[in-house]
Amino acid sequence: SQQGEEDPQALSIQEGENATMNCSYKTSINNLQWYRQNSGRGLVHLILIRSNEREKHSGRLRVTLDTSKKSSSLLITASRAADTASYFCATDAIQGAQKLVFGQGTRLTINP
Amino acid sequence: DTGVSQDPRHKITKRGQNVTFRCDPISEHNRLYWYRQTLGQGPEFLTYFQNEAQLEKSRLLSDRFSAERPKGSFSTLEIQRTEQGDSAMYLCASSLSRVLVGGRSYEQYFGPGTRLTVT
Repeated sequence: SQQGEEDPQALSIQEGENATMNCSYKTSINNLQWYRQNSGRGLVHLILIRSNEREKHSGRLRVTLDTSKKSSSLLITASRAADTASYFCATDAIQGAQKLVFGQGTRLTINP
Repeated sequence: DTGVSQDPRHKITKRGQNVTFRCDPISEHNRLYWYRQTLGQGPEFLTYFQNEAQLEKSRLLSDRFSAERPKGSFSTLEIQRTEQGDSAMYLCASSLSRVLVGGRSYEQYFGPGTRLTVT
């Protein structure tokens, strides 16, 4: 079963604009990770944010985490055509599990 | 390339046949995971190994599925008597479990996946 939901399910923007994707989850977590998946391929790890962190940056990526609201956001600044992909958040629950639980993903399209 | 490899990349089989997939993790990683992903969905956890020990299995993993990780290196996932509902992308991931102050923290690195089509 999916841990939570990503919003929006699909997003289409112009190259150079910023893209924001949101993720909600249900249980208490150790970490939250964001992954990118190009069509028909494996997942690429983008960034991990720990439950005691509120914001993290990596290049053009900015991730926030609000554990009180059980939500996270991924911001991609100055988008490029190569950013076109599906983006997934994945959580690692505190209770006894080493597995990642994924949302359904946001399909991002960057128009040139 | 994340350093995790999977073989084969694509497999087409007829219903009722057995199939086996292989995953080679990043060499120093002690944890290995299998996930299944159907079209339009996020990956779903199947099972994971710490070294050679299989520590957790999802209810998705029916009796027709078996996974092994001999010697704590590569892993195989076998599906017996395949059904059309088994058609999916099977993803393998590995990680290095490490404990940091304040809790565990690790990233999972995924292979390219094996796409299974059961006809």
